[in-house]
Amino acid sequence: GAVVSQHPSRVICKSGTSVKIECRSLDFQATTMFWYRQFPKQSLMLMATSNEGSKATYEQGVEKDKFLINHASLTLSTLTVTSAHPEDSSFYICSAPISSTGELFFGEGSRLTVL
Amino acid sequence: DAKTTQPNSMESNEEEPVHLPCNHSTISGTDYIHWYRQLPSQGPEYVIHGLTSNVNNRMASLAIAEDRKSSTLILHRATLRDAAVYYCILRDSGGANNLFFGTGTRLTVIP
Repeated sequence: GAVVSQHPSRVICKSGTSVKIECRSLDFQATTMFWYRQFPKQSLMLMATSNEGSKATYEQGVEKDKFLINHASLTLSTLTVTSAHPEDSSFYICSAPISSTGELFFGEGSRLTVL
Repeated sequence: DAKTTQPNSMESNEEEPVHLPCNHSTISGTDYIHWYRQLPSQGPEYVIHGLTSNVNNRMASLAIAEDRKSSTLILHRATLRDAAVYYCILRDSGGANNLFFGTGTRLTVIP
């Protein structure tokens, strides 16, 4: 079946540095991908919609200059957390839809810890 | 997207059936009912979805009320690997593909 893969699965960084998370659709093309953030014991919150070949669409309250999204190809979207701070520590999850069914496939998630 | 209401948590004994309820009284005629589940420290995975008729697949069954204002996800025989948070989500067939997650039901399976 279709698979969405994220890398890295875990990352620890120092405050003030930038971290890039990759999301790949492995056996299908995705013109759209979605980025979610999940804090401990909470539900997933949609951050932004990544669009291949155009600018991402951000949800209200999500800073686009802090969370840079690039959808460079039909199988790759990246999320860069710029100048990360401890409050950015979270579980980041991407997903991509299968157009024929509308089903969403999710990546394994990337756990970011900012020291 | 219309809102759903689910119990925060449920427990089930291993190898017994589990019925996970979801209320969606403001559902519109074009909303599909989707269920996803999230195992600890993993991304969510698709379970099942339906519109009006009951649906069965290898993972579960989905029973949809006649007025569509509620639905029930049925796990026929719970295993320890089914312990997860189960999310019931409505998605407009004509809308965007993104999903808005509620709080879900945390299912605990007791050995």
